[in-house]
Amino acid sequence: QKEVEQNSGPLSVPEGAIASLNCTYSDRVSQSFFWYRQYSGKSPELIMSIYSNGDKEDGRFTAQLNKASQYVSLLIRDSQPSDSATYLCAAGRSGSARQLTFGSGTQLTVLP
Amino acid sequence: DVKVTQSSRYLVKRTGEKVFLECVQDMDHENMFWYRQDPGLGLRLIYFSYDVKMKEKGDIPEGYSVSREKKERFSLILESASTNQTSMYLCASSGGWVDSNTGELFFGEGSRLTVL
Repeated sequence: QKEVEQNSGPLSVPEGAIASLNCTYSDRVSQSFFWYRQYSGKSPELIMSIYSNGDKEDGRFTAQLNKASQYVSLLIRDSQPSDSATYLCAAGRSGSARQLTFGSGTQLTVLP
Repeated sequence: DVKVTQSSRYLVKRTGEKVFLECVQDMDHENMFWYRQDPGLGLRLIYFSYDVKMKEKGDIPEGYSVSREKKERFSLILESASTNQTSMYLCASSGGWVDSNTGELFFGEGSRLTVL
């Protein structure tokens, strides 16, 4: 069983809409959660991190964490064509040398 | 800016060849990682290192070995390449653990290996 699952894609939204990306994890010891964005042919880059239950906002991006439900999400408001990419959810254990476990990614396309 | 440089963007090798993938980071990071990325499978950890000459196995270490003789350099070695090792290989580094603000992973541009 994969430890980090992401909602199946690809996901398409019109420009200006809200894109919702979801992720569940199975390891209850996971304490840290991350969203990485990967443009086609490029390497992943960190866009959001979240450690506590609730919402964390950064510009057009909002990460949501619910540890009781083992659920993490990323909302992208006012989606732009430049947001078209694969979004990788990752979970990590506190103080772990092993670092992160990644989901398989959700491909998002924002249609002009 | 953190820079993680992988020596080769594209490689084509034959089955049974020995393959070296080199990775260098310029931010004095303690931790370095090798992942492979395959469609539908995401990023899978092969090996990581949290100090010079220290290494630990990740999820899929079979068929691979690593070397970290200097802090800035982490090499991935395929002793005898096989076709199922055809993949994108990503090197990453970080300055701290995942629960710290230095835990961000910085990735190299990737090395696409094809084994014929």
